[in-house]
Amino acid sequence: DTEVTQTPKHLVMGMTNKKSLKCEQHMGHRAMYWYKQKAKKPPELMFVYSYEKLSINESVPSRFSPECPNSSLLNLHLHALQPEDSALYLCASSLRHGGADTQYFGPGTRLTVL
Amino acid sequence: ILNVEQSPQSLHVQEGDSTNFTCSFPSSNFYALHWYRWETAKSPEALFVMTLNGDEKKKGRISATLNTKEGYSYLYIKGSQPEDSATYLCAFMDNAGNMLTFGGGTRLMVKP
Repeated sequence: DTEVTQTPKHLVMGMTNKKSLKCEQHMGHRAMYWYKQKAKKPPELMFVYSYEKLSINESVPSRFSPECPNSSLLNLHLHALQPEDSALYLCASSLRHGGADTQYFGPGTRLTVL
Repeated sequence: ILNVEQSPQSLHVQEGDSTNFTCSFPSSNFYALHWYRWETAKSPEALFVMTLNGDEKKKGRISATLNTKEGYSYLYIKGSQPEDSATYLCAFMDNAGNMLTFGGGTRLMVKP
């Protein structure tokens, strides 16, 4: 099973809402990632978790709050987002962080902020 | 900021044509180069991870080469099929090994 699942597939939220994106993998991977992809641009790294600890935060605004409750789950909590935060949010996992291991991606959550 | 570029941005070919496209990346501090295939509304699919200069990898009709000294990788598709239509992304990892930097992708459309 090389699947990374993400829910929901689509999300529309207002600027005052609080919502969460979820990501799950059961491959025994110990590194998990959040990427943001704007239209016609490449994916950009937001956060890396390694062994359930936040390893990298690429200067992401605090209105995005990641959480890794266990080795299989990764959440992204959203609060007070702006319309420019509308994008495709991709989750990925790899066996470990920092090597040449393949990153396996989920299909993404398409987020629209009104 | 690492500069990873892909060319062309888009490519239209006929079924049966062979095609290739390029990923260029910094030639210093190289660690790995990843290739992904991304169909619309699906997950990016890992094709290859390449680490050694001169490496060649093959998966079915798709193959890739790597030149780390000059900072480029080629992806080849032999006998393109409509199901090969997708965006092909490369991603560079430097020897700090912390993160992938993606190129802008090559969008391939194969007409039947």
